[in-house]
Amino acid sequence: NAGVTQTPKFRVLKTGQSMTLLCAQDMNHEYMYWYRQDPGMGLRLIHYSVGEGTTAKGEVPDGYNVSRLKKQNFLLGLESAAPSQTSVYFCASSTLGRAYNEQFFGPGTRLTVL
Amino acid sequence: AQSVSQHNHHVILSEAASLELGCNYSYGGTVNLFWYVQYPGQHLQLLLKYFSGDPLVKGIKGFEAEFIKSKFSFNLRKPSVQWSDTAEYFCAVTRSGAGSYQLTFGKGTKLSVIP
Repeated sequence: NAGVTQTPKFRVLKTGQSMTLLCAQDMNHEYMYWYRQDPGMGLRLIHYSVGEGTTAKGEVPDGYNVSRLKKQNFLLGLESAAPSQTSVYFCASSTLGRAYNEQFFGPGTRLTVL
Repeated sequence: AQSVSQHNHHVILSEAASLELGCNYSYGGTVNLFWYVQYPGQHLQLLLKYFSGDPLVKGIKGFEAEFIKSKFSFNLRKPSVQWSDTAEYFCAVTRSGAGSYQLTFGKGTKLSVIP
């Protein structure tokens, strides 16, 4: 199993450009999450999904949109990138919604917005 | 909403020294607690977790953590660190109960182990 994979690994955007980050998991997990990691801030939840076709806002959703058209994929979109969105983005997944379930993380996407 | 505080931003230790990283959370109800580790350039991996039972939890690579409910703490310990333990460590919490699966992370503690 590949676990959780993310594409691309690195990306540089100019302010105002748009892009989509793709997260894929092959563990048949129901729940998927997008986080951003900034120095000294830990990880903060952007959006999450409890199943195919459903998404919800996390702690820092502004400027991002998501879609979960297939159970195994969770897309994070930036419609008009801003320098404040320079960050490392991590996708995660977990099985069912049990609070004690481990979340499995992808390798991350390092995004720089100039 | 719950929050997590990690007391140390950066800890520097020599090999074989003992380690204790502090973690406190703020939430009055029942919680589940996690420690994740991020090695340089890698993704987060689960080190250990607590959801019920024995408050002393053992994880991978010789790490353990103790849940002290009265102190709202879940400190991570290792008796003797190795250079390979150099990483960033994150404490995280979820509330117990239906629908409570969202992790709230602390800001992380960077551990540097000097050979």
